[in-house]
Amino acid sequence: ILNVEQSPQSLHVQEGDSTNFTCSFPSSNFYALHWYRWETAKSPEALFVMTLNGDEKKKGRISATLNTKEGYSYLYIKGSQPEDSATYLCAFMGTGTGNQFYFGTGTSLTVIP
Amino acid sequence: EPEVTQTPSHQVTQMGQEVILRCVPISNHLYFYWYRQILGQKVEFLVSFYNNEISEKSEIFDDQFSVERPDGSNFTLKIRSTKLEDSAMYFCASSLGQSNEQFFGPGTRLTVL
Repeated sequence: ILNVEQSPQSLHVQEGDSTNFTCSFPSSNFYALHWYRWETAKSPEALFVMTLNGDEKKKGRISATLNTKEGYSYLYIKGSQPEDSATYLCAFMGTGTGNQFYFGTGTSLTVIP
Repeated sequence: EPEVTQTPSHQVTQMGQEVILRCVPISNHLYFYWYRQILGQKVEFLVSFYNNEISEKSEIFDDQFSVERPDGSNFTLKIRSTKLEDSAMYFCASSLGQSNEQFFGPGTRLTVL
């Protein structure tokens, strides 16, 4: 079983603050990393699919970077809003894992108005 | 916007009973997945399905589990003889390609008594 870690486990920020969190994964045999946003009582919603070292993806105020050589990805939220409150999950797929994704435990973000 | 649907939303069953969880993936997607999340734990991969056969399964997916795509639209997960530890939220997902973003259904909460 591969280890995918996310930090911090939870985060409280004030509205307007920018924030970032980390997903760590094995640095060898990388195939893909997905980021998901998961609001309470809803299903996970895909944010980014990252496949190449150095990838930077952006969607509105949310962006992500990928470093496959050192095994981490950062998710950034600029100017957090209350509607950004959710759990952010990353999921790793390696070349030797078939098409099995390994999920982190998630970072729970609460944006305080 | 197309979405993945799952039924039922909540299933309560007695230990030892068989359950079938149903999913309707997005119609043009080719890859289908089942995941589960036991309360307080990580999302865990169970199985992926492509071209009418299982393409990958995890250690969790033992002989008690099976999947089917009986009619070209539904994708089902059967647990033959449920155990207490099968109590979890079960998510179905689908994607266009192996490393494309996955679209998750709303989940079925399975409670085994």
